[in-house]
Amino acid sequence: GENVEQHPSTLSVQEGDSAVIKCTYSDSASNYFPWYKQELGKRPQLIIDIRSNVGEKKDQRIAVTLNKTAKHFSLHITETQPEDSAVYFCAASKGGYQKVTFGTGTKLQVIP
Amino acid sequence: DAGITQSPRHKVTETGTPVTLRCHQTENHRYMYWYRQDPGHGLRLIHYSYGVKDTDKGEVSDGYSVSRSKTEDFLLTLESATSSQTSVYFCAISGRQGAENTGELFFGEGSRLTVL
Repeated sequence: GENVEQHPSTLSVQEGDSAVIKCTYSDSASNYFPWYKQELGKRPQLIIDIRSNVGEKKDQRIAVTLNKTAKHFSLHITETQPEDSAVYFCAASKGGYQKVTFGTGTKLQVIP
Repeated sequence: DAGITQSPRHKVTETGTPVTLRCHQTENHRYMYWYRQDPGHGLRLIHYSYGVKDTDKGEVSDGYSVSRSKTEDFLLTLESATSSQTSVYFCAISGRQGAENTGELFFGEGSRLTVL
């Protein structure tokens, strides 16, 4: 089955700096890569996703890049703010309603 | 919130006792999932359902069973709870009937289970 590895497990940045979280996947058939944010004590929520026919996608301060050849994708957060502090999960699936496999999560701390 | 609720939200039980967690949705989503969340392991899929009475195993299904007798409800049962099943359990849904297929998962608020 699919295996998703995520790094780093923890990340501390100063407010205003950028943060990058990287993930790799094993199944070349995967074609849908969502990112979820989980604030402390809350449920995970989708923040951005990318499909395999696109190399990059942006939404305000967040962007995701995908390298299908290398089977890795990354989340980029620019101009970080304290409210960005949370656990971020990458995930991969074969699209549609196939099973979604999650990475182990990255705890991001933005220091004011 | 995508109309998804979990119950109970918190439960403490003893080893060997049966436990059932309930996931209820009101948005007519076809697909329902049970995940467990543990430090260092992220979210791991236990079981999922792709329709009424249609279920399949995830990556950590041992010791768990599920049932879905109607669209709205997806039950997760621990027949004989063990301490290794202490975790936070999340239900998720996707695939609202008649809506665009985005692949997005909508999660419930989670159920914290402690097995002593």
